[in-house]
Amino acid sequence: GENVEQHPSTLSVQEGDSAVIKCTYSDSASNYFPWYKQELGKGPQLIIDIRSNVGEKKDQRIAVTLNKTAKHFSLHITETQPEDSAVYFCAASQGGSEKLVFGKGTKLTVNP
Amino acid sequence: DTGVSQNPRHKITKRGQNVTFRCDPISEHNRLYWYRQTLGQGPEFLTYFQNEAQLEKSRLLSDRFSAERPKGSFSTLEIQRTEQGDSAMYLCASSRTSGMSFGPGTRLTVT
Repeated sequence: GENVEQHPSTLSVQEGDSAVIKCTYSDSASNYFPWYKQELGKGPQLIIDIRSNVGEKKDQRIAVTLNKTAKHFSLHITETQPEDSAVYFCAASQGGSEKLVFGKGTKLTVNP
Repeated sequence: DTGVSQNPRHKITKRGQNVTFRCDPISEHNRLYWYRQTLGQGPEFLTYFQNEAQLEKSRLLSDRFSAERPKGSFSTLEIQRTEQGDSAMYLCASSRTSGMSFGPGTRLTVT
């Protein structure tokens, strides 16, 4: 089955810097890659997603890139703010399956 | 906009007891999912409903676990004869096409 690896497990940046989180997946049939932000005591919140027919997608300060050949995708957050501090999860799913396989998460801390 | 709601938010139970959790999805969403999350891990898929039909189940869903969505609206997840290893956050999510919206979760502690 699908396996998703996520790095780094923790990331600390200064306010205003950029943050990059990387994920790799194992199943070449996977075609949908969402990113979730989870704050303490809350459920994960979808922040951006990308499908395998697209190489890059951007939404204000957040962007996601996908390299199908290498089977990896990345989350980029620019001009980080303290409210970006949270745990971020990447996930992957195959067409025809509704199951999302999640990475283990990255705890992002943005220092003021 | 009413999001996914889950009740209760917290449940403490003794080993061997049965527990039931409820999930109310976003009203126009026909797809409903249950995930389990333990500390320091990402959510793990348990099961998926489209309307009232349970279409996919994980091997994690042992015979002590049962999920229902009788009228294609709310769903319940029951755990029978709870074990300490069942302690986790149980998350419900819903969607209409892609892009799942998660609820706040039910935190289960088995003592």
